Amino acid sequence: KQEVTQIPAALSVPEGENLVLNCSFTDSAIYNLQWFRQDPGKGLTSLLLIQSSQREQTSGRLNASLDKSSGRSTLYIAASQPGDSATYLCAVVGETSGSRLTFGEGTQLTVNP
Amino acid sequence: NAGVTQTPKFQVLKTGQSMTLQCAQDMNHEYMSWYRQDPGMGLRLIHYSVGAGITDQGEVPNGYNVSRSTTEDFPLRLLSAAPSQTSVYFCASSHSWDSQQGYQETQYFGPGTRLLVL
Repeated sequence: KQEVTQIPAALSVPEGENLVLNCSFTDSAIYNLQWFRQDPGKGLTSLLLIQSSQREQTSGRLNASLDKSSGRSTLYIAASQPGDSATYLCAVVGETSGSRLTFGEGTQLTVNP
Repeated sequence: NAGVTQTPKFQVLKTGQSMTLQCAQDMNHEYMSWYRQDPGMGLRLIHYSVGAGITDQGEVPNGYNVSRSTTEDFPLRLLSAAPSQTSVYFCASSHSWDSQQGYQETQYFGPGTRLLVL
């Protein structure tokens, strides 16, 4: 059974710092991996989608990398801002999961002014 | 476009009551799904649909029913509510979906319904 782990569970940084969020998955046979953002009391917003054939995706100050063979992904946030404060979730679609997303529990990020 | 909408935003039920959580999308997406989010468990798939008239079970389907009579709507029914169904429920939709590889494009999530079963 696929398991997705995110480390750390919580992170607090000063504004302007570059930071890395980690995601690992136990079964490397995946089709794609997606990073989401969730604000308190809100739904999920997709940030980046990486297909298994890709190594990374970039959107603005966000860069996500994927190492499928080692079962790891990282989300890099450059020059963090207080508005980046949220919970970040990663999720994978496994080759044997029938298109279902398996989520990690998320990293709660706080960026202090 | 309104995107994915969910109603109600919050609901309190007594054990044994039934109710329907509504989900609608105006993006003409074929793929729709329901998740529940619980502390320590993350988001788990309840049911999903790959098009009107087609539904399938996810990871935690027991106690829930779904139907998909139109492309736009995908209601989730609780037949006899139990305290274990206290959770936050999210509906999601996506345009492009492959039977093996899942969605090829972004999944859009609704704002969620908070359900408390006493």
